[in-house]
Amino acid sequence: DVKVTQSSRYLVKRTGEKVFLECVQDMDHENMFWYRQDPGLGLRLIYFSYDVKMKEKGDIPEGYSVSREKKERFSLILESASTNQTSMYLCASGRLAGSTDTQYFGPGTRLTVL
Amino acid sequence: GENVEQHPSTLSVQEGDSAVIKCTYSDSASNYFPWYKQELGKRPQLIIDIRSNVGEKKDQRIAVTLNKTAKHFSLHITETQPEDSAVYFCAASDGNQGGKLIFGQGTELSVKP
Repeated sequence: DVKVTQSSRYLVKRTGEKVFLECVQDMDHENMFWYRQDPGLGLRLIYFSYDVKMKEKGDIPEGYSVSREKKERFSLILESASTNQTSMYLCASGRLAGSTDTQYFGPGTRLTVL
Repeated sequence: GENVEQHPSTLSVQEGDSAVIKCTYSDSASNYFPWYKQELGKRPQLIIDIRSNVGEKKDQRIAVTLNKTAKHFSLHITETQPEDSAVYFCAASDGNQGGKLIFGQGTELSVKP
């Protein structure tokens, strides 16, 4: 069974704080993704990565950055959190680099920015 | 880029009835169309997917149909049960960026006993 874990289920931060969200997968998957989920908007892709130290912008990258130093770990960074970044953040992984395939999701982190 | 529209946003059916959720996409190069189910408080999980070389795929009470000419695909759930209540998301692969999926807005399905 593929296991994708995220560092926190719930997080509360203040405006302007630097926020780190971590995702780890244990199946040696090459693709990793960060989405945010908002009611009525579905899942929107923030950033994704095909390989270590590689990153690609998704559809809503503004205000976010990512880091992939190891194959199994993909971090999402909010450099200066703002209230409009309050959302559910979902990490996902996929088996093959650059190939459309099943994505396996983590449990999500509900971030509230006050 | 790819755009995916999903309808309806909410759907309420009686137990035993069928439910149909429809999605349209814009990129003719899309070739992979998965459906995810997300129960309340849980992660999205793949329930069925279809590739562009196939017109229909079934798995027990769930089926997906794809019309490449019209650029739409649909999820059909027959004999619905209360445990089918969840949010369902369709997605389409991005024709230009391998591995990337574009998701629809989601459909909240409620199955009343």
